[in-house]
Amino acid sequence: KNEVEQSPQNLTAQEGEFITINCSYSVGISALHWLQQHPGGGIVSLFMLSSGKKKHGRLIATINIQEKHSSLHITASHPRDSAVYICAVPQGGGADGLTFGKGTHLIIQP
Amino acid sequence: KAGVTQTPRYLIKTRGQQVTLSCSPISGHRSVSWYQQTPGQGLQFLFEYFSETQRNKGNFPGRFSGRQFSNSRSEMNVSTLELGDSALYLCASSLVGVSYEQYFGPGTRLTVT
Repeated sequence: KNEVEQSPQNLTAQEGEFITINCSYSVGISALHWLQQHPGGGIVSLFMLSSGKKKHGRLIATINIQEKHSSLHITASHPRDSAVYICAVPQGGGADGLTFGKGTHLIIQP
Repeated sequence: KAGVTQTPRYLIKTRGQQVTLSCSPISGHRSVSWYQQTPGQGLQFLFEYFSETQRNKGNFPGRFSGRQFSNSRSEMNVSTLELGDSALYLCASSLVGVSYEQYFGPGTRLTVT
């Protein structure tokens, strides 16, 4: 079964700072998901990637399959980016459920 | 395109009762997964359905069960509720499984008293 480690668990930064959140997993995967959860519970999928790098607005996600590691970057951070960011990977094999990291609680102060 | 819907959004039940939660996936999506989220354990996988078949099940007791209908709508049932079942229950739909983009519903907040 895949194990997922996320860091940091908590992060407070000033508006405009460059943010990096890291995710490591233990078993080879077909895809990795970065999710965002705001207070109230709703989860939004930010990225799904299996190789390389993806960019959407100020968000960038990278993955290194050989090292079993992914990073989520936020450029020019804004208070509205405050949320919990969660990394998730297939439990094993790709045809089953997701295993989640414990999440990174991000607070961007104005 | 309508998103994933879950009903009810909030539910209060008493220990020993049973509960049924419903999830309607995005049109065309055949995979529905269910997850439990608690402050202590975070997000945990319950089960996944694809074309009316349960493909995988997480490490939860048999009190947790589910099913999927021919229109891909899914229900999960929890029998003999315990206080520890209080949680946010989320479903997610995708085209065919977890290697595809997941679309989450808003969740059902279950409180067991």
